[in-house]
Amino acid sequence: DAKTTQPNSMESNEEEPVHLPCNHSTISGTDYIHWYRQLPSQGPEYVIHGLTSNVNNRMASLAIAEDRKSSTLILHRATLRDAAVYYCILRDEASGGSYIPTFGRGTSLIVHP
Amino acid sequence: EPEVTQTPSHQVTQMGQEVILRCVPISNHLYFYWYRQILGQKVEFLVSFYNNEISEKSEIFDDQFSVERPDGSNFTLKIRSTKLEDSAMYFCASSEREWGENEKLFFGSGTQLSVL
Repeated sequence: DAKTTQPNSMESNEEEPVHLPCNHSTISGTDYIHWYRQLPSQGPEYVIHGLTSNVNNRMASLAIAEDRKSSTLILHRATLRDAAVYYCILRDEASGGSYIPTFGRGTSLIVHP
Repeated sequence: EPEVTQTPSHQVTQMGQEVILRCVPISNHLYFYWYRQILGQKVEFLVSFYNNEISEKSEIFDDQFSVERPDGSNFTLKIRSTKLEDSAMYFCASSEREWGENEKLFFGSGTQLSVL
C-alpha cells in the first residue's frame, strides 16, 4: 500500500465540488488507477477507474495527470451520503503472481451540511 | 444492479468454536475474495479463489482458515477454532475476470464476527 499516497482526511461543504488527490509516483505504464470508497458500516464500493485518459461516470470523474504520477477523484457536488473513506488503489502483485487490491488508509471525507 | 450477498450480518461465537461465513457472489463472476477489517483498521486481504482453488492468500490466512465453493452459488469462509483476535468485519467480494486492470471488484456488506 505504499504505492499510493493520500491525505488522511478532507472536508467539504454539501453541494460543493470535492477534489481528492492521490500520488502514485512509481506507477507502471500498464497500471490502472482504481478508486473505491467505504461508507460507514458498509463494504468497499467501486467508484471509478482509468488508465490514461480522464474518465467520467455517474458517481464521479477521474482526472489523471499527463505523467500518470498522480490522479484526482472529483465529486462534482458532494452530498452528505458521500461521506466515506476513499481509497486510491493500484494493482499489487501477490506472491502467486495474481493481482489483488490492497487497501491503504485512504482519505476520510467529511461533508458538512 | 446485481450484488454480493453475505449471511449472517452478525455472528457471535465463543472462543474455540468453529464459524462459517457465507457469501453468494454475483452469478456470472469467476473470481472470489475474502477480506477482513478489524475495527478502526484497514481492510485486509485474506484469500482469493478461482477455478475451485486458492489463487492467493495472505499471512493472516493460516491453517485455521479455509474456503470452499460447495455448490455453484455459495462461497464460504470457515474459521476452525476462533480466537478473540478474529473479531472483525469480514467482506466477501467477487469479480467477473481477474482483478488488476480493466475490472471491478464487487463487495458484500459484510459479516460482523464477534468472538467472546
